[in-house]
Amino acid sequence: QVQLLPSGAEVKKPGASVKVSCRASGYTFTSYQIHWVRQAPGQGLEWMAIVRSKDGSTIYAQNFQGRVTVTRDTSTSTVYMELSSLTSEDTAVYYCVREMADTYYFDYWGPGTQVTVSS
Amino acid sequence: QSALTQPASVSGSPGQSITISCTGTSSDVGGYKYVSWYQNHPGKVPKLVIFDVSYRPSGVSSRFSGSKSGNTASLTISGLQADDEGDYYCTSYASIGTYVFGSGTKVTVL
Repeated sequence: QVQLLPSGAEVKKPGASVKVSCRASGYTFTSYQIHWVRQAPGQGLEWMAIVRSKDGSTIYAQNFQGRVTVTRDTSTSTVYMELSSLTSEDTAVYYCVREMADTYYFDYWGPGTQVTVSS
Repeated sequence: QSALTQPASVSGSPGQSITISCTGTSSDVGGYKYVSWYQNHPGKVPKLVIFDVSYRPSGVSSRFSGSKSGNTASLTISGLQADDEGDYYCTSYASIGTYVFGSGTKVTVL
């Protein structure tokens, strides 16, 4: 069955960086794009980035330009999201989310990784 | 990219119909047919209920329907049930390959 297995919860200090991973299984990894979406406590969903299925190219939301880097390893079917210069406002659950290539909707959500930024 | 505008809350009695609006611009909602809706129960991951403005995934109740007019998309839940309570988010494909979510709507069944 389809699984998107996230890495474990992280606690970081302000100014630090965090790297979260998402390992996919149960489907053909390169046929689907992976998005990163976050949800801060009591807040709504926020789209961050996409790594495309066909070539691994990335597109980032303007709000995160220069601070986020998404990469993928097709040999392990894993996608990584690194967010730098953390502040308390980056405290959130970070979801990796699947989209069949060029369908423009998210058909499967991983359980998410809690990232807490605190001094 | 600003979040799409949704009402903060919508409520209805069991059996009634409610509609949630999602207003964007010609660069997102109005410019593409790629609006989708997600149901988010507390403590759970979001679930797709509508894609491509008005299509329901397999397994989603026919009580959920979607539409769009200009820069505003809408989700209607008919025959409201207790299990429909939760948060609902719209999202739209936007220019240059990005996506934008709505601000979210809390649905309460009275």
